[in-house]
Amino acid sequence: GNSVTQMEGPVTLSEEAFLTINCTYTATGYPSLFWYVQYPGEGLQLLLKATKADDKGSNKGFEATYRKETTSFHLEKGSVQVSDSAVYFCALRDSNYQLIWGAGTKLIIKP
Amino acid sequence: DTAVSQTPKYLVTQMGNDKSIKCEQNLGHDTMYWYKQDSKKFLKIMFSYNNKELIINETVPNRFSPKSPDKAHLNLHINSLELGDSAVYFCASSQVGQGEKLFFGSGTQLSVL
Repeated sequence: GNSVTQMEGPVTLSEEAFLTINCTYTATGYPSLFWYVQYPGEGLQLLLKATKADDKGSNKGFEATYRKETTSFHLEKGSVQVSDSAVYFCALRDSNYQLIWGAGTKLIIKP
Repeated sequence: DTAVSQTPKYLVTQMGNDKSIKCEQNLGHDTMYWYKQDSKKFLKIMFSYNNKELIINETVPNRFSPKSPDKAHLNLHINSLELGDSAVYFCASSQVGQGEKLFFGSGTQLSVL
């Protein structure tokens, strides 16, 4: 069946460090892929998405590239800020248009 | 106006009680969801309604009963609360055919004592 695997957190970085949060998936066909972010005390919100192989989604300085050959969709940011501290969820859309979620990765940015 | 609003934000109650969480969306979406998030942030879908019709009903104890009086509202009623029900419950909505773009409420933190 379809599944999403994320790197386990928490990930702790200093401000201005480079961020990578790994996400790999298992799915039939070529699903659309997503990153959602959950700031403390809030609901999740869509951060970025990619709908086909080699697409790059980007938003708020974050990027992720849909890699079919490695079935991955790693989230990256060149210089993180304290305000990026949140929980990040990778997800894929199945053939029924429902989301399959990863377990979430908590990111902590220290000043 | 908040797009997806749920009440209450915090709910503290005793084991065995019955409680309800309300959710309303003003986005005109056709589909609404209930998710449960445990203490490790793991997110699990519980129910999904499309135009007041139940379309997803995951393996959830039948103590949990969703009710959708109209497509803008999806309430969650929980009977005979147990300690393991303690979690954050999120309501969300999406438009038909755009099931991947969910709009979430800010959550209801349920604590069962």
